[in-house]
Amino acid sequence: DTAVSQTPKYLVTQMGNDKSIKCEQNLGHDTMYWYKQDSKKFLKIMFSYNNKELIINETVPNRFSPKSPDKAHLNLHINSLELGDSAVYFCASSQGQFSGYTFGSGTRLTVV
Amino acid sequence: TQLLEQSPQFLSIQEGENLTVYCNSSSVFSSLQWYRQEPGEGPVLLVTVVTGGEVKKLKRLTFQFGDARKDSSLHITAAQPGDTGLYLCAGFMDSNYQLIWGAGTKLIIKP
Repeated sequence: DTAVSQTPKYLVTQMGNDKSIKCEQNLGHDTMYWYKQDSKKFLKIMFSYNNKELIINETVPNRFSPKSPDKAHLNLHINSLELGDSAVYFCASSQGQFSGYTFGSGTRLTVV
Repeated sequence: TQLLEQSPQFLSIQEGENLTVYCNSSSVFSSLQWYRQEPGEGPVLLVTVVTGGEVKKLKRLTFQFGDARKDSSLHITAAQPGDTGLYLCAGFMDSNYQLIWGAGTKLIIKP
């Protein structure tokens, strides 16, 4: 029974398209996150949501927008995709901001 | 500028050898976590250390938090091919409670 699941696993799309990545956690955690991992494997926080409130919003382009319909879901919508958006995107959750994180298995986005 | 420096960036050794990976900073952390990431998967939490000087063991893995809570190390005894992966440290800073990530150590254990 997967704790943090994200779909799709792979996403190949053309420049200029709009796409969404879905994330669901069944751990009852109150905080969810989106991370971007670049080709050098560095993890960069994009967003976090605590009780449906955005509490961290790093300097990411406003083409990226998180959407949380409820505490168990945090989806990532990306408008007007660019080549530089190609990366692996990870969803994660934690119980509170200072606990260990549980990560999904990632979505590899390739923009062509 | 990396707030958390991991070293080495890459390590390839033979099965059965011992190794140590370091995570260093000039900043103080309220806690520090170690994760292992395998190809095609997300990072998996191995341990959290909270108290300065704390040592935690997970089978052949030994984690230590520095006395001043600015650094940490991961020591693996008798490494096995199953230990292969990307090891990431991440710490919560005392000053702003953000989780800061290191760039990772890629470890390969050859049979």
